[in-house]
Amino acid sequence: AQSVAQPEDQVNVAEGNPLTVKCTYSVSGNPYLFWYVQYPNRGLQFLLKYITGDNLVKGSYGFEAEFNKSQTSFHLKKPSALVSDSALYFCAVRDNAAGNKLTFGGGTRVLVKP
Amino acid sequence: DVKVTQSSRYLVKRTGEKVFLECVQDMDHENMFWYRQDPGLGLRLIYFSYDVKMKEKGDIPEGYSVSREKKERFSLILESASTNQTSMYLCASRSGISGNTIYFGEGSWLTVV
Repeated sequence: AQSVAQPEDQVNVAEGNPLTVKCTYSVSGNPYLFWYVQYPNRGLQFLLKYITGDNLVKGSYGFEAEFNKSQTSFHLKKPSALVSDSALYFCAVRDNAAGNKLTFGGGTRVLVKP
Repeated sequence: DVKVTQSSRYLVKRTGEKVFLECVQDMDHENMFWYRQDPGLGLRLIYFSYDVKMKEKGDIPEGYSVSREKKERFSLILESASTNQTSMYLCASRSGISGNTIYFGEGSWLTVV
């Protein structure tokens, strides 16, 4: 079975400071990993994904994430957070040998204070 | 641009009513999904479909059914709504190519009273 853990329910950061949202995963095969962001009363928007290749993945809005196979992690990062980055962030994993199912973490709320 | 449209954003239904949530995608995607989102639980997969008239149960299919008569449309049906089905429902779609991104609709807020 595949699973995703986002250990922090909420992350608070001051505007201009680095932002990190943590994600660890468990799959049987090789993982496809995704980050999504959700603004209030909206659906999920795709930020970035890791399928294969370079472990550092760059995505939308200045976000990036690093795939670490030994630590089974895929933490989301942004060097300088903006107030507009305040939202709910979801990490998701799909086992590339396990069909269509995408499993989501519980979400991490990010609050960027001016 | 990718578009997944959920026709109803906010619904209030009574216990025992039959509820239809409709979703349409315009990207000719083979795969479509229905999730529900609840605080602290993230997104949980209810059902998905990988082709017309094909469906598979997700993690929490009880109390729900689905219909996919056309490739672009995937409907979620609550046969007899209950208060524990009050939630945010998200439809999504993805092409059949392995590794491709899932795209989400804006969500449907359902309240069962």
